[in-house]
Amino acid sequence: QKEVEQDPGPLSVPEGAIVSLNCTYSNSAFQYFMWYRQYSRKGPELLMYTYSSGNKEDGRFTAQVDKSSKYISLFIRDSQPSDSATYLCAMSPYSGAGSYQLTFGKGTKLSVIP
Amino acid sequence: DADVTQTPRNRITKTGKRIMLECSQTKGHDRMYWYRQDPGLGLRLIYYSFDVKDINKGEISDGYSVSRQAQAKFSLSLESAIPNQTALYFCATSDGQGEETQYFGPGTRLLVL
Repeated sequence: QKEVEQDPGPLSVPEGAIVSLNCTYSNSAFQYFMWYRQYSRKGPELLMYTYSSGNKEDGRFTAQVDKSSKYISLFIRDSQPSDSATYLCAMSPYSGAGSYQLTFGKGTKLSVIP
Repeated sequence: DADVTQTPRNRITKTGKRIMLECSQTKGHDRMYWYRQDPGLGLRLIYYSFDVKDINKGEISDGYSVSRQAQAKFSLSLESAIPNQTALYFCATSDGQGEETQYFGPGTRLLVL
């Protein structure tokens, strides 16, 4: 089993739809959870991060972490064509001295159709 | 101006050639990373550096070398390029605090013929 699993899609939705993107993981040491957005021919950019379990909201985006199920989600409300991109989840363990490792999912490609 | 820059943005080279990809950052971060991205394989770590005197191998370092010339500069070299090194290469930085958020450059698209 890979450490982080992410459905690669592609996922195609109509404009205005609610989008749900998900990752599962196996390493119970992960404490920090991030979502990156990558537009075509661009570098990944940090969209949101959360620490431990719970929800975090930023505008149309909500990140959820369920550590008991080892499952994280990103919800996009009122999706727009500009949200069309590849979304990568990433996670890391508690950052003690010397810790560096960020483990990425393979990314889900999202297309929002006008 | 971008916080993390990479040069060149695109490069075509031939098998056996030595090439260097360069990364510069103005974020003041100590940690720098090199990744490659391939379709279906996601991002894979090649090398990382916690400071100028610290260089470490990542998941897939064979065939690559790096140089950390200064806090702000981290170069990746392919000593003798081969076609399966055709990929998108990203440099990233982080401040090593808390959640280990990494900030990525725009990438270098490399084609080895």
